[in-house]
Amino acid sequence: DADVTQTPRNRITKTGKRIMLECSQTKGHDRMYWYRQDPGLGLRLIYYSFDVKDINKGEISDGYSVSRQAQAKFSLSLESAIPNQTALYFCATSDLRTSGTNEQFFGPGTRLTVL
Amino acid sequence: SQELEQSPQSLIVQEGKNLTINCTSSKTLYGLYWYKQKYGEGLIFLMMLQKGGEEKSHEKITAKLDEKKQQSSLHITASQPSHAGIYLCGAFPQGGSEKLVFGKGTKLTVNP
Repeated sequence: DADVTQTPRNRITKTGKRIMLECSQTKGHDRMYWYRQDPGLGLRLIYYSFDVKDINKGEISDGYSVSRQAQAKFSLSLESAIPNQTALYFCATSDLRTSGTNEQFFGPGTRLTVL
Repeated sequence: SQELEQSPQSLIVQEGKNLTINCTSSKTLYGLYWYKQKYGEGLIFLMMLQKGGEEKSHEKITAKLDEKKQQSSLHITASQPSHAGIYLCGAFPQGGSEKLVFGKGTKLTVNP
């Protein structure tokens, strides 16, 4: 079973719709992240959370919100989707306590298309 | 802010050939991660380099960190089609920021 799962894997929606992307992890990690990947722009950090009570904006948080419902769950919401939010979205986890190198473990990604 | 520049942006090689991908930082490197991404899929952690001069290997992939040059190189020996994908480098900016910064990736194609 995958350690970091994302749902849905693919989603097509229309401009103005509210969308929620979910991420769950069984690794027991305390840190979770949301990134988006666009061709030519690489991976960019949207939000990150170091524990359930800690939420931080990344470099491109406008138009997005997050919720850390539990240590294992971190959701990303687009309140009113727009076409330039079409991208591949990744969730990642890490834990400095269990890994001295603090590497991040990525989910399989959610491909979101906003028409 | 720290930026990571990868070169080349894309690379096409014949199976069996050796290749090198570079990652150059605009600021001092305090550690560097290498990831591999298969097209449209998640990133797989390859290795992390923490000290200047450090070299690590995983199967036929070797990575080195040159702190003075603020650069890391990833070398693949005797490439195979299974090596195809996008290779990304990542680093924590100077100052201990917890936000990992990534390069834009190098797309590798290995022709049989």
